[in-house]
Amino acid sequence: AQSVTQPDIHITVSEGASLELRCNYSYGATPYLFWYVQSPGQGLQLLLKYFSGDTLVQGIKGFEAEFKRSQSSFNLRKPSVHWSDAAEYFCAVGASIDMRFGAGTRLTVKP
Amino acid sequence: EAGVVQSPRYKIIEKKQPVAFWCNPISGHNTLYWYRQNLGQGPELLIRYENEEAVDDSQLPKDRFSAERLKGVDSTLKIQPAELGDSAVYLCASRTSGLYNEQFFGPGTRLTVL
Repeated sequence: AQSVTQPDIHITVSEGASLELRCNYSYGATPYLFWYVQSPGQGLQLLLKYFSGDTLVQGIKGFEAEFKRSQSSFNLRKPSVHWSDAAEYFCAVGASIDMRFGAGTRLTVKP
Repeated sequence: EAGVVQSPRYKIIEKKQPVAFWCNPISGHNTLYWYRQNLGQGPELLIRYENEEAVDDSQLPKDRFSAERLKGVDSTLKIQPAELGDSAVYLCASRTSGLYNEQFFGPGTRLTVL
């Protein structure tokens, strides 16, 4: 069965610092992986997705993620965080037609 | 291009009352999803439609939840009667056919059952 684990419930970083959000998955075949962001009162917005090919994926808003099959991970990174990045981040696995979401990581950005 | 529209945005009801949520997907999107998002959790699929056909409703609590998408466009999700544990955000998403096409999400309806 497919599943996603986001080990960090809440992360606080200072503005301008680097960010890494962790995501581990369980999937029976080659996984399709996604990162979504959800701002308060908003729906989910796709940041990036991985289907195949280059394991380093670039997304919107300066985010990137790296697929590591050997570690079953798909961590999200950003080199310099902005205050507007404060939100909830969800990792998801599965075909885009049928996804399973992690529980999310809430990001707080300190001035 | 307009996004996925949901209404109402907020709803407060007393337990045992009925409630309905409405979703208008992006034009041309034949696949429509309803998710439930509990506080501090990720979205969980309730039902998926391909046009007007419900092709995955295995997670829909059918004793009290129902959904319809009569003309393959708008959809309504209903709860009757509502229970305290139904308090959550109900999200609607849509996509076009194709393996690699992403889902687009609406802003959700936040339901509070008192």
